[in-house]
Amino acid sequence: QKEVEQDPGPLSVPEGAIVSLNCTYSNSAFQYFMWYRQYSRKGPELLMYTYSSGNKEDGRFTAQVDKSSKYISLFIRDSQPSDSATYLCAMNGNQAGTALIFGKGTTLSVSS
Amino acid sequence: EAQVTQNPRYLITVTGKKLTVTCSQNMNHEYMSWYRQDPGLGLRQIYYSMNVEVTDKGDVPEGYKVSRKEKRNFPLILESPSPNQTSLYFCASSLRATGYGYTFGSGTRLTVV
Repeated sequence: QKEVEQDPGPLSVPEGAIVSLNCTYSNSAFQYFMWYRQYSRKGPELLMYTYSSGNKEDGRFTAQVDKSSKYISLFIRDSQPSDSATYLCAMNGNQAGTALIFGKGTTLSVSS
Repeated sequence: EAQVTQNPRYLITVTGKKLTVTCSQNMNHEYMSWYRQDPGLGLRQIYYSMNVEVTDKGDVPEGYKVSRKEKRNFPLILESPSPNQTSLYFCASSLRATGYGYTFGSGTRLTVV
């Protein structure tokens, strides 16, 4: 079993839709959970950061972490064409030197 | 502007010709790392550095070298590039190794022929 699993998509939705992106993981030591957005030919940029379990909201974006199920989600409300990108989940633990482990990314396309 | 700067953005080279990809950050971050991104394989860590003069191997270090002589710079060295090192490379930095998000550079697309 891979450490982090992410459905690669592609995912196509109309403008205004609610988008749900998900990752599962196997390492119970993971404590820090992040979502990155990567536009074509660009580096990943940090979108959301969550420590341990719970929800975090930032504008149209909501990140959820369920450590008991080893499952994290990113919800995008009122999706816009500018949200079209690849979304990468990432996570690591407390141990120094632990690499940030990335999912393979889900490609999202929002049509107007 | 806080950023990670990589150079060059694009590079085509021949097998065996030594090359260096530079990476510099202006945020006084302790932690720096190199990743390669390949279709179907995602981002994989090559090397990382916890601080000046402290470096260690990531998941795919074979064929690469790094150095960290100054806090802001973390060059990636390919002493004898091979075609299987054709990839998109990203440098990233973070305040600490864990507990903080990473800031990524814009990437270097390397082709080895």
